[in-house]
Amino acid sequence: QVQLVESGGGVVQPGRSLRLSCAASGFMFRGYAMHWVRQAPGKGLEWVAAIIYDGSNKYHADPVKGRFTISRDNSRNMLYLQMNSLKIEDTAVYYCARAWTDWGQGTLVTVSS
Amino acid sequence: NFMLTQPHSVSESPGKTVTISCTGSSGSIASNDVHWSQQRPGSAPTTVIYDNYERPSGVPDRFSGSIDSSSNSASLTISGLRTEDEADYYCQSFDSLNHLWVFGGGTKLTVL
Repeated sequence: QVQLVESGGGVVQPGRSLRLSCAASGFMFRGYAMHWVRQAPGKGLEWVAAIIYDGSNKYHADPVKGRFTISRDNSRNMLYLQMNSLKIEDTAVYYCARAWTDWGQGTLVTVSS
Repeated sequence: NFMLTQPHSVSESPGKTVTISCTGSSGSIASNDVHWSQQRPGSAPTTVIYDNYERPSGVPDRFSGSIDSSSNSASLTISGLRTEDEADYYCQSFDSLNHLWVFGGGTKLTVL
C-alpha cells in the first residue's frame, strides 16, 4: 500500500535552515505530482509547495516563495523541502501528500529562539 | 487570489445526514477538481473524496461529493452519521490563474 514517511523536523532558530524528506513507497513515485502541506498549531491546512512528476516544474506558496524549495529524486523515491531563512511563523507540522489521495503522518518543525 | 469558504462548524445526530459546503470566491469551481480530507484530532489528514466525487478505497459509500455550478460550490455529504465521523473536514482545489493550490478553512463536524 502507499506509504509516505516524513523526516527531518525539529527545533531550529529563526534564520536557520532545515531540510525535510519524504520517503515514498507502494506506488510508482515517478508518475505522480507531489505536494507539501503544513498545519500551524491550532490552525487549518495550508498548501506549501508542489512538484510535477519529473521535477521540471515547481510551485511555491507566496509565504515561502524565495525561502523554500521543493525537489525530488525519482531514483530514490524521495521528496524534499529545503527550508531557508526560517521564521517563527513557519512553525507547523509538515505533511507530504500524493496528489491528492494519500498523506504522510507529518513531521513537526518548531522555529524558536 | 482564489479562496474557498466553508462553514466553521456543523453538528448533527448519529444516523442522520449532514452536508458541508465549500464555496469558491471567483471563477467556476467546476473548472478544477475539488478534494475533501478528514482530520481527526491528533491525526494526519486522510482523503475521503478526490476529483469531486471519487472515493479512495476503504472510504465507505456514506461519503459522497458533488459540485453545484449554479452556486459555485462543492459539497461533502455524509449519511448515516457515526461518532467516528467527528472530525475537521477540508475542501481543496486549484487556483488556475495563480497556479496555486488552495484549502478551505475547514469545518468542524460534531456528531452528538
